[in-house]
Amino acid sequence: EPEVTQTPSHQVTQMGQEVILRCVPISNHLYFYWYRQILGQKVEFLVSFYNNEISEKSEIFDDQFSVERPDGSNFTLKIRSTKLEDSAMYFCASRGLAGGPNEQFFGPGTRLTVL
Amino acid sequence: AQSVTQLDSHVSVSEGTPVLLRCNYSSSYSPSLFWYVQHPNKGLQLLLKYTSAATLVKGINGFEAEFKKSETSFHLTKPSAHMSDAAEYFCVVSAPTGTASKLTFGTGTRLQVTL
Repeated sequence: EPEVTQTPSHQVTQMGQEVILRCVPISNHLYFYWYRQILGQKVEFLVSFYNNEISEKSEIFDDQFSVERPDGSNFTLKIRSTKLEDSAMYFCASRGLAGGPNEQFFGPGTRLTVL
Repeated sequence: AQSVTQLDSHVSVSEGTPVLLRCNYSSSYSPSLFWYVQHPNKGLQLLLKYTSAATLVKGINGFEAEFKKSETSFHLTKPSAHMSDAAEYFCVVSAPTGTASKLTFGTGTRLQVTL
C-alpha cells in the first residue's frame, strides 16, 4: 500500500541554524501539506501546495519558512533560522486527485528539536 | 471558517466496554469530517471519514461515527474497547470535497483502556 514517507525521523539543531525536512508524498497525489504539533498541543496547519505553488498558508508560516517540490517526488519544508519555539513534530500529508475525496494521508512525522 | 471542539481531553474505559468520544463542529458550509488516531510515537492514521454520503460512517477497527447536522456533532463510538485502542483521537473538519482546503484539528481526546 502506498504511503507518505518522511526523513529524518528526528532532527536536532542549534537555534539559528537552517533545517530542511523532507517528505515523499504518495506518487499520484496532487496536493501537499505540512502540519506541526508542538508537544502536548493540537496539530496545526502550516501550508498547502498545489500545482507548484502555495495555495494556502497559516499565520505560523512566516518568512522563515519555505516549501519546495524540487524534483517531482520530494516535498520539502525549510526553516531558515530556527527558533526554540519551532521544536515540534512536523507532519507531511498528501491528497489525491482533484475533485476526489479530500482525506489526507500523513507521514510518520519528523521530530525537530531546537537547542 | 471551520472548527471542531472535542468535549473530553481524556476518557478512560474498561476493556470490553463501549467507547464514546465526543466532537462538535462548526462550519459555514457542508463539511467533510474525519477521525484520526495517533498511537504513541506514531503518525496520524485515518479511522473514518464523512463526506455527505451516509450519515453513519463505519471505519477501521470497529469504530463508527454518526453525523448529526441538527446537533452539529460527529461522535466516535465503538461497542467494545480493546487494549490496543489506547491512543490519542483527533476529530478533524475540512472544506467540502474538491478543494485544496486544510484540515482543522480538534485538541484531541486521549483514550485510556484499563483491564
